[in-house]
Amino acid sequence: NAGVTQTPKFRILKIGQSMTLQCTQDMNHNYMYWYRQDPGMGLKLIYYSVGAGITDKGEVPNGYNVSRSTTEDFPLRLELAAPSQTSVYFCASSPLAAVDGLEQFFGPGTRLTVL
Amino acid sequence: AQSVTQLDSQVPVFEEAPVELRCNYSSSVSVYLFWYVQYPNQGLQLLLKYLSGSTLVKGINGFEAEFNKSQTSFHLRKPSVHISDTAEYFCAVSRAAGNKLTFGGGTRVLVKP
Repeated sequence: NAGVTQTPKFRILKIGQSMTLQCTQDMNHNYMYWYRQDPGMGLKLIYYSVGAGITDKGEVPNGYNVSRSTTEDFPLRLELAAPSQTSVYFCASSPLAAVDGLEQFFGPGTRLTVL
Repeated sequence: AQSVTQLDSQVPVFEEAPVELRCNYSSSVSVYLFWYVQYPNQGLQLLLKYLSGSTLVKGINGFEAEFNKSQTSFHLRKPSVHISDTAEYFCAVSRAAGNKLTFGGGTRVLVKP
């Protein structure tokens, strides 16, 4: 199993450009998440999904959009990149049932710089 | 809503010395507690978790944590660290039967020879 994969690993954007961060998991997890990590701030939840076709906002959703057309994929879109979106982005997934302990499995991250 | 505070942003420690990373949380409902580790330029990996039962939880790589409900704490310990333990450690909490994690700000551990 590859687990959770993310592409690209690194990206530099100019202000106002758009891009999609890709996330795929092969563990058949229903739940998927997008976080951003800023120094000293831990991880903040951007969006999450409880299954195909269902998404919801997290703590910091402004400036981002998501879709979930399949169980495996959960792309994150930035429409108009801003310097405040410079961060490291992590995708994660977890099993549906609470009895599974709610462990989230993380991808390796995408380091995004907006200049 | 829950929140997590990691009291130390950085902890320097000598190799083979013990280390304790402090984590306090606030929540009005029952919670699940987690410690994750992030090695340089990698994603997060689960070290250990507390769901219920024994308050002393053992994890991978010799780490353990103790859940203290009265003090709302979940401190992480290792009796003897190695250079390879140099990493950032995150405490996280989830509402029991929920599926969203709230993370602390992280503690960066630097193990010196």
